Amino acid sequence: QVQLQQSGTELVKPASSVKISCKASGYTFTSNYMHWIRQQPGNGLEWIGWIYPGNGNTKYNQKFDGKATLTADKSSSTAYMQLSSLTSEDSAVYFCARVDVYYGFFDYWGQGVMVTVSS
Amino acid sequence: DTVLTQSPALAVSPGERVTISCRASESVSTGMHWYQQKPGQQPKLLIYGASNLESGVPARFSGSGSGTDFTLTIDPVEADDTATYFCQQSWNDPYTFGAGTKLELK
Repeated sequence: QVQLQQSGTELVKPASSVKISCKASGYTFTSNYMHWIRQQPGNGLEWIGWIYPGNGNTKYNQKFDGKATLTADKSSSTAYMQLSSLTSEDSAVYFCARVDVYYGFFDYWGQGVMVTVSS
Repeated sequence: DTVLTQSPALAVSPGERVTISCRASESVSTGMHWYQQKPGQQPKLLIYGASNLESGVPARFSGSGSGTDFTLTIDPVEADDTATYFCQQSWNDPYTFGAGTKLELK
């Protein structure tokens, strides 16, 4: 069965960076796009971008360009997202999600990583 | 970006029929999908392509619409349906989500 297992809760200081992970299993990691989505406290969902692990190609929501960097390690079937220059506005839950390439819906989601930015 | 507008909250009694709407600021054809999210959990796909029921989702859930106006219907509503429901469009770049409709049971 398809599973996306994300890393644990992060408490980080303003102006620092954090790298969170998403380990995929139960499907061919290199043949599916991996997306990242943010949910701020009490707010809706925002699409951050995607990576295609097969060739490392990425695409970002313009809003997150320069804030998020997506990478993937084929050997461990793990996708990563690094967030830089963190501020309190970046405090949120971050999800990885696999997309159905034909319809564009997210069929499997990680459990989410809570990132709290605080001094 | 395509803005998706949902009503913020609804309250219904178990056994009733509820419709949750999502209006897009521009056409998304049938590239609209619906998710259910319970507190502390990740979203769960209910409907894709505006009207297709995801495997394993009860037939009480259905979706309709195309272009700019979409509806998620739950009939009949059960106590376990208490959750926030999000719409998401994949027709226009970037992907966007509605702000969510919180469904409460009376």
